[in-house]
Amino acid sequence: SQTIHQWPATLVQPVGSPLSLECTVEGTSNPNLYWYRQAAGRGLQLLFYSVGIGQISSEVPQNLSASRPQDRQFILSSKKLLLSDSGFYLCAWGVGGYNTDTQYFGPGTRLTVL
Amino acid sequence: SQQGEEDPQALSIQEGENATMNCSYKTSINNLQWYRQNSGRGLVHLILIRSNEREKHSGRLRVTLDTSKKSSSLLITASRAADTASYFCATYTSGTYKYIFGTGTRLKVLA
Repeated sequence: SQTIHQWPATLVQPVGSPLSLECTVEGTSNPNLYWYRQAAGRGLQLLFYSVGIGQISSEVPQNLSASRPQDRQFILSSKKLLLSDSGFYLCAWGVGGYNTDTQYFGPGTRLTVL
Repeated sequence: SQQGEEDPQALSIQEGENATMNCSYKTSINNLQWYRQNSGRGLVHLILIRSNEREKHSGRLRVTLDTSKKSSSLLITASRAADTASYFCATYTSGTYKYIFGTGTRLKVLA
């Protein structure tokens, strides 16, 4: 069966510090991978998605970046965090391909920037 | 940007009652999905309905889709305290690879 891992679960970082959040998927090959951010009590904002190794599509121009160094690994990074980067970050995967359906979400990372 | 708008934003009902929440969207879709999110957790997929379907059932869940009105509804029958969560709709259009989520409905079921 498929499993998605995210770490860390919680993170408190000072403004201006770097960020690296990691997501890995097990039990599937060539998944579509996604990073979302959710502000408190709000909906999901799509940040990045990837349909293959090394391929990244960005939805929101900001100080965040994403990379997919391996088929089932998706990394969200920042060189210098802003206060506005605080939020709940969710990684998700979907079956690869043109007609992908259901998304499966990781447990999320709660990021607080002080 | 968020395509979906859900209403109500918040709903409070007694255990045993039915809960109905609605989702509207703006563009053509291939499918629409409903997810549940417990506080501080990731989202869990509940049910998917395709654009050529009008109604779908799964246990106590009933989903309808009206593509002419670009709207969907989720009905939870005989609600339980454990149904307390936020519920989101998400739409998918083939070839875009993207899911567009609604703003969510916060459901509280009182025991």
